[in-house]
Amino acid sequence: GIQVEQSPPDLILQEGANSTLRCNFSDSVNNLQWFHQNPWGQLINLFYIPSGTKQNGRLSATTVATERYSLLYISSSQTTDSGVYFCAGASGGYQKVTFGTGTKLQVIP
Amino acid sequence: SAVISQKPSRDICQRGTSLTIQCQVDSQVTMMFWYRQQPGQSLTLIATANQGSEATYESGFVIDKFPISRPNLTFSTLTVSNMSPEDSSIYLCSVDSAFRGLGGYTFGSGTRLTVV
Repeated sequence: GIQVEQSPPDLILQEGANSTLRCNFSDSVNNLQWFHQNPWGQLINLFYIPSGTKQNGRLSATTVATERYSLLYISSSQTTDSGVYFCAGASGGYQKVTFGTGTKLQVIP
Repeated sequence: SAVISQKPSRDICQRGTSLTIQCQVDSQVTMMFWYRQQPGQSLTLIATANQGSEATYESGFVIDKFPISRPNLTFSTLTVSNMSPEDSSIYLCSVDSAFRGLGGYTFGSGTRLTVV
C-alpha cells in the first residue's frame, strides 16, 4: 500500500502566527483529504483536494498530484486550531484510504 | 441533522467483555468502513462492510475479534470482542461522501473505548 508521511510531527505556534503543514505520498493518490481531529477525538473534514488549490477562511490547501504532495496553510492561528491534522488518500481504484502520520498542533495564547 | 450517527460516543468496559458500536447513515451507501485509532496514533482501516456480503478485513484484523454486521444500506455495527486493555482506542465509521454530492469520505463522531 501507499505510504503517507506528514511533517512536521509536532508544531507549537503563538496565536496569530502562520504555518504550513506538508503531506507526502509514496504513490499517486485520489480522494485526497485534510482532516482536523479536535481534542475530543472528532474528525472534521477540512478539504477534499485531489489537485489544485482551495481556500476556506483562514485555511487553504494545495495539492500537486504530479509531485505527490499536498500542503495545508493555516493563517492567523487561533487556540481553537489546536489538535491533530491528518491527510489521507486512496490509491488506484481501491477505496482503501490510508491516513498520514499526523501533525500535532498546539496554539498558545 | 447528523449525516452519520455513531453510538456510543464513549464507554468504559471490563476486560473479557464485548462492545457493539453502531453506525447509522441518513442515506443509502454501498460501502461502510471501520477504523481504529490507538492512543497517539493515526487511523488504521479495520474492514470494509458491504451490504449482503461478508466484510473484508485488513491485515492484522480478524472476524472473530471484530465481527461486523451490515443488515441494510444505512446501518452497520462493529463488535469488539473479548476485550483487553490493548483494545482501548477510538473507533470510527466512514462512508464515501458521494451520496452527499461531495468528494472524499465522511466520518462518524467516533467511539472512545477504554478497557479496564
